[in-house]
Amino acid sequence: EVQLLESGGGLVQPGGSLRLSCAASGFAFSSFSMSWVRQAPGKGLEWVSAISGSGSRTYYTDSVKGRFTISRDNSKNTLYLQMNSLRAEDAAVYYCAKEPPPGPGPWFDPWGQGTLVTVSS
Amino acid sequence: IQMTQSPASLSASVGDRVTITCRASQSINGYLNWYQQKPGKAPKVLIFTTSRLQSGVPSRFSGSGSGTDFTLTISSLQPEDFATYHCQQSYSTPSTFGQGTRVEIK
Repeated sequence: EVQLLESGGGLVQPGGSLRLSCAASGFAFSSFSMSWVRQAPGKGLEWVSAISGSGSRTYYTDSVKGRFTISRDNSKNTLYLQMNSLRAEDAAVYYCAKEPPPGPGPWFDPWGQGTLVTVSS
Repeated sequence: IQMTQSPASLSASVGDRVTITCRASQSINGYLNWYQQKPGKAPKVLIFTTSRLQSGVPSRFSGSGSGTDFTLTISSLQPEDFATYHCQQSYSTPSTFGQGTRVEIK
């Protein structure tokens, strides 16, 4: 069974940093691209970042470019999101999600249970 | 690409046929996915690439559309279908979602 388990969320002050982790199991982790998607309280879903299976290609939404870094350790089957210079508008539940085999028009399946990031002084 | 879902919410009864629409700001070549999300839970994919039913998803869910206009239909609403539904375009990066449609019990 494919499982994704996020960790690392918590309360951080504006301008602070946090690193999220997503432990994957049940599939050949290095063969699949992975994404981070967030959801602010009571709001819709927002794709944040993606990384190819090898880690050689990364993608970001404009609002986090230069502040967030996605990475992966395929030897540990773990995905990461390093978040720096956090702002109030970054507060959300962050989900990691698996993409299907490489091809056009990817979808996300499955998703982890999410980890909550709160940005407040 | 902007994704606009309608309605934002709806009330329906068990057994009703429910239709949710999603409009893209430009053509997305059919790369439109639908997710179901229940309160406090992660989203779950229902339909991908406009009309392909994810394994394990009941056949009462169906998707259709082309160009910029897409539809999710629930043929006979069941108690477990009360949830929020999100559309997502994956034609171009950044992938973008609609604002969600909340399906409530009438």
